[in-house]
Formats: sequence, structure tokens, C-alpha cells
Amino acid sequence: EVQLVESGGGLVQPGGSLRLSCAASGFTFSSYSMNWVRQAPGKGLEWVSYISSSSSTIYYADSVKGRFTISRDNAKNSLYLQMNSLRDEDTAVYYCASVGGSYSQYWGQGTLVTVSS
Amino acid sequence: EIVLTQSPATLSLSPGERATLSCRASQSVSSYLAWYQQKPGQAPRLLIYDASNRATGIPARFSGSGSGTDFTLTISSLEPEDFAVYYCQQRSNWLGFTFGPGTKVDIK
Repeated sequence: EVQLVESGGGLVQPGGSLRLSCAASGFTFSSYSMNWVRQAPGKGLEWVSYISSSSSTIYYADSVKGRFTISRDNAKNSLYLQMNSLRDEDTAVYYCASVGGSYSQYWGQGTLVTVSS
Repeated sequence: EIVLTQSPATLSLSPGERATLSCRASQSVSSYLAWYQQKPGQAPRLLIYDASNRATGIPARFSGSGSGTDFTLTISSLEPEDFAVYYCQQRSNWLGFTFGPGTKVDIK
């Protein structure tokens, strides 16, 4: 069974940092590209970042470029999102998802990040 | 940047009725369009990929069509568990992924 489990969310002050993790199991993690997608309270889905299977290709949404860094450790079947200079508008549930071509196939249950003073 | 527009914003229907949801792209995305279903408190679930292919385990009452800029998700006969929010999504090389704003299908 495919499982993606996010962790690392919590309450952080504006300007602070947080590192999210996503633990993958049940599939060959090293063969799949991965996405981070977020959802602000009561809002729609927003794609955040993409990383290819070998980490050779990385994309970011304009809203997080220069502040967030995506990475992965295929030996540990893990995906990460380092979030710096956090803003109120970064408050959201953050999902990791496996990428199959042009779509996100499997999703974790998400981890809540709250940016507030 | 490719913008996705979904209509209607809300669709009020009764169980057993047919639902037709629209997604329009600001420029051609070929057939690289996916549809997701999301229920309150849950992660999104992939329904349709590459415009018309049902994901694993998705019932046959869900179907997708279209190419280029105009796409449709059809639910042939609504079941109680189908009342949810539906998002379309596209992928652009070099620019990443974009989601539409969503269509909420609620009970009339």
C-alpha cells in the first residue's frame, strides 16, 4: 500500500523557518518525481514545488521562490521542504504527492503550518 | 502562465442526476489535464489524468473529455459520496503545475 506521511508542521512566527518532511513507503520512491501542494484554510489547492526523481529538475511557484527549498533523500525514501522567511499567507495544510507524468497520483494527509505572531 | 477557469463555481444537484463540470485553460495544454476530488478534511484524490483516463479504482460513472483549452468532467449519476469539491490541474514544462479554483457539487 502506498503511503505518504507528512510531518514537521506547527506554529511559527512571521519571518521564521520550518522544515517539512514526507516519508514514503509502498512504492519505489526513487523512481518518482514529487510535488508539494498547499491549501490555505477554506481555499483551493496551490502547487508549491516540484522535484524530479534524481533531483536534477526543480520548480517553484512564484509565491515561494527564493524562500522555500525542496529536496529529497532517495536512500531514506524522504522528501523535504525547507521554508524560510515565512509569511502569514504561507499558513496552509501542506501535502506531498507523487507525480506520474502531468498529475499528482498519490497524496499524503497533509501537515498544518500556521504562521502567526 | 496558464490560468485554469472552472465553471460553475457551485453545482446543486440531487443524487442520481448527471453532473457536468467545465475547466477552461487560457492556452492549450494539449491533453495534460487532471481532475481531483476533495472532501472536507481529506486530501485530494486523483480521478482523471491526461484528460480522459480514469485513475485506479475510480468508478466508471466518472469520465473526462476534451483537449486543447476546453475540458469536461462528467459524473453520469451522482452517488451520495460524490458531493465534494472538484479541481482541474495542468502541468507546464518549466512553469510547474496549476490548479483551477474548484467546483463545489452540493446536494440540492
